[in-house]
Amino acid sequence: KAGVTQTPRYLIKTRGQQVTLSCSPISGHRSVSWYQQTPGQGLQFLFEYFSETQRNKGNFPGRFSGRQFSNSRSEMNVSTLELGDSALYLCASSHLTGELFFGEGSRLTVL
Amino acid sequence: QQQVKQSPQSLIVQKGGISIINCAYENTAFDYFPWYQQFPGKGPALLIAIRPDVSEKKEGRFTISFNKSAKQFSLHIMDSQPGDSATYFCAARGGGSTLGRLYFGRGTQLTVWP
Repeated sequence: KAGVTQTPRYLIKTRGQQVTLSCSPISGHRSVSWYQQTPGQGLQFLFEYFSETQRNKGNFPGRFSGRQFSNSRSEMNVSTLELGDSALYLCASSHLTGELFFGEGSRLTVL
Repeated sequence: QQQVKQSPQSLIVQKGGISIINCAYENTAFDYFPWYQQFPGKGPALLIAIRPDVSEKKEGRFTISFNKSAKQFSLHIMDSQPGDSATYFCAARGGGSTLGRLYFGRGTQLTVWP
């Protein structure tokens, strides 16, 4: 069974630009969560989607948004990028048991 | 406000020794406590998890000890190996509609010397 797939794996943007990250969950998993990982703040929850609906949202500004499609694939978008948005963005999918399985992440560098 | 506090920040253990990482939480609504292992350049991988109705869970060389009254739980790695060198994260989660939201500790960087 294929794991969680995130694209792109690496990207470099400049301040003020926007970025879209993609996540394909494990087949059959309907819940997708996003996390931001930085050396300073650790792993922080961004939001969770289930059946195309946002079920939970963390404490991030409105520049961070996401969506989920009918095939459970998810995207997150960050607008008006700031230097502090440089991070590893992790996507996790889960099934009924609630165990979260993470992808390898998208490493964003903002210059 | 850190919902889950983890210690130590770093740990160095001799090969064959026991590695112990501790975590504490405040929210009594948490009902699921996983541990994740992360290697450089990789995403966190689920290692072992426990629910508060049991005090201990063992899988191979990895054991979780859980103390509900103290709101603490710990990971023990027996017979530590150089391949165990990684960053370990404890986490906690409430139930119901918050299934996808994990609160993570800050991580412990484990180094196992051969």
